[in-house]
Amino acid sequence: NAGVTQTPKFQVLKTGQSMTLQCAQDMNHNSMYWYRQDPGMGLRLIYYSASEGTTDKGEVPNGYNVSRLNKREFSLRLESAAPSQTSVYFCASRQGQHEKLFFGSGTQLSVL
Amino acid sequence: ELKVEQNPLFLSMQEGKNYTIYCNYSTTSDRLYWYRQDPGKSLESLFVLLSNGAVKQEGRLMASLDTKARLSTLHITAAVHDLSATYFCAVDMKSNYQLIWGAGTKLIIKP
Repeated sequence: NAGVTQTPKFQVLKTGQSMTLQCAQDMNHNSMYWYRQDPGMGLRLIYYSASEGTTDKGEVPNGYNVSRLNKREFSLRLESAAPSQTSVYFCASRQGQHEKLFFGSGTQLSVL
Repeated sequence: ELKVEQNPLFLSMQEGKNYTIYCNYSTTSDRLYWYRQDPGKSLESLFVLLSNGAVKQEGRLMASLDTKARLSTLHITAAVHDLSATYFCAVDMKSNYQLIWGAGTKLIIKP
């Protein structure tokens, strides 16, 4: 029972490098989310996808892009990484608008 | 703009004691969620509160919702060390698919 799978678990980048965080869920959920978590700030929404084929900005979208590749997969891309993007990133999914979220295990990203 | 405030943000308590974490939110909402996060781990759903007066209990944790006061509480009874974690509340926005999160309450329970 995999649930939500995120890769990689850890990543170190140099300023200006690009990378893609991958997320896949096997629960047939419609909605998928990308959050970042910084100390003392709770979770902040970067982008979300309410359903396959749609994506929307959250609170902190600048510097990120997303792709809802299919119903299972939702990727987050950093085109030109900056130190301010050092954070823990979580992918999450849920069946519908008012259902609980299921989270992946997180990606610890450091940008030097 | 929907805001969610938790208090306290940090709580250190002794085993066996009772305590309550508060979650206030600023506008009407359909659902309120409580999550637990252990250090270095992901978030795990604890409770989903659907309506005014809802109360849910799991072991030593009990959550309640008062939509008129825009307040949810997470009550810990006879705390044990295993409950040490950070607890988050989150509120659904009615207009879209976003959840708004509180900053979290870091709970340390000392033997």
